[in-house]
Amino acid sequence: EPEVTQTPSHQVTQMGQEVILRCVPISNHLYFYWYRQILGQKVEFLVSFYNNEISEKSEIFDDQFSVERPDGSNFTLKIRSTKLEDSAMYFCARNTGDSGNTIYFGEGSWLTVV
Amino acid sequence: RKEVEQDPGPFNVPEGATVAFNCTYSNSASQSFFWYRQDCRKEPKLLMSVYSSGNEDGRFTAQLNRASQYISLLIRDSKLSDSATYLCVVNMNTGFQKLVFGTGTRLLVSP
Repeated sequence: EPEVTQTPSHQVTQMGQEVILRCVPISNHLYFYWYRQILGQKVEFLVSFYNNEISEKSEIFDDQFSVERPDGSNFTLKIRSTKLEDSAMYFCARNTGDSGNTIYFGEGSWLTVV
Repeated sequence: RKEVEQDPGPFNVPEGATVAFNCTYSNSASQSFFWYRQDCRKEPKLLMSVYSSGNEDGRFTAQLNRASQYISLLIRDSKLSDSATYLCVVNMNTGFQKLVFGTGTRLLVSP
């Protein structure tokens, strides 16, 4: 059973369109993360989100990206004006909150920009 | 120097073999270390955390050498189901959990 549920599992979008990827935690957690993995490349950190605020973001996470938790449950990643190079698997992740602070990943949303 | 560096492989081994993966990291202030396993087009799944004293979980043994900034994973008695990409992961400990991944080492276990 996944730690978090992500939707959609796969989305194809045209270049320039906006995309919203969703993450629903199984239980109530405060720490969330978005990572991405371009096909054939390593997993990269995008942003961490704590208590409804961005706590840290990478250089990749520019103005094209935004995150929010609009209803206190779903955690969303919005990508505006998508580009071909945004094609990747996007993983939502959460902390266990224990002393090891282990991170568990959702099953991912595969985004294809055409 | 890359933040986390791994030999990409692939490592082709027969069932029952012992295989070792190595990883180096550049930030000496890194605090937490992990091995994740990733199957093709799937999410990374935690295999084990890596502690300074070394730790073992069944057929898997992880070692950490802070002085050399080196992490290893040993898999004994390889199974077909061990075929996957093994990701060396370091927490840069910038306040919240910011994991830095290596590119992964691909393992293929054959009958």
